[in-house]
Amino acid sequence: DQQVKQNSPSLSVQEGRISILNCDYTNSMFDYFLWYKKYPAEGPTFLISISSIKDKNEDGRFTVFLNKSAKHLSLHIVPSQPGDSAVYFCAASGGSSNTGKLIFGQGTTLQVKP
Amino acid sequence: DAGVTQSPTHLIKTRGQHVTLRCSPISGHKSVSWYQQVLGQGPQFIFQYYEKEERGRGNFPDRFSARQFPNYSSELNVNALLLGDSALYLCASSFPHSTNEKLFFGSGTQLSVL
Repeated sequence: DQQVKQNSPSLSVQEGRISILNCDYTNSMFDYFLWYKKYPAEGPTFLISISSIKDKNEDGRFTVFLNKSAKHLSLHIVPSQPGDSAVYFCAASGGSSNTGKLIFGQGTTLQVKP
Repeated sequence: DAGVTQSPTHLIKTRGQHVTLRCSPISGHKSVSWYQQVLGQGPQFIFQYYEKEERGRGNFPDRFSARQFPNYSSELNVNALLLGDSALYLCASSFPHSTNEKLFFGSGTQLSVL
């Protein structure tokens, strides 16, 4: 039962353009969402998060949008840079278990071409 | 400041053997979580420990166990290894135990079971 889904396994964009990574979830009890970036041979690194009481959070080139009615969130990277090439994971927390665990999507590999 | 450190970085075992993975959290962090990442998938929650007590357990068999020590470091033990246990094992730490978990991950231990 995949509660968090990233349906696009990969995305390729040109340097300077916008990258949009998408994530869908099924559990309406999730109240906190995070994006992590992962380079090969490294652990995931926290990028940006959003609480369910907000619909947008911005940090520099990164913006996360949350559409609760559609159970959908997206990460926008503007402008994209070659160093942004990595695997991006969407994660969610909250729900009935309330143990603080994160539920991750499968990841989207972003390639930014110079 | 040192981040989350995990040892060993790589490990090769054979079926039926036992393995112990180790994790040191960021200084001041009292919560440690363990995740399993199989190739092509997102990390899956195994355990969370806070103040040396188990606070959450994912859908993993009893062959998986963990503990947290007074200095907040942690061990993950896996008995009777199966080929399917081959994965990247990630440890993450966080400061307060809460539902809005921003986790800081180590680089992981790559376990290969032959």
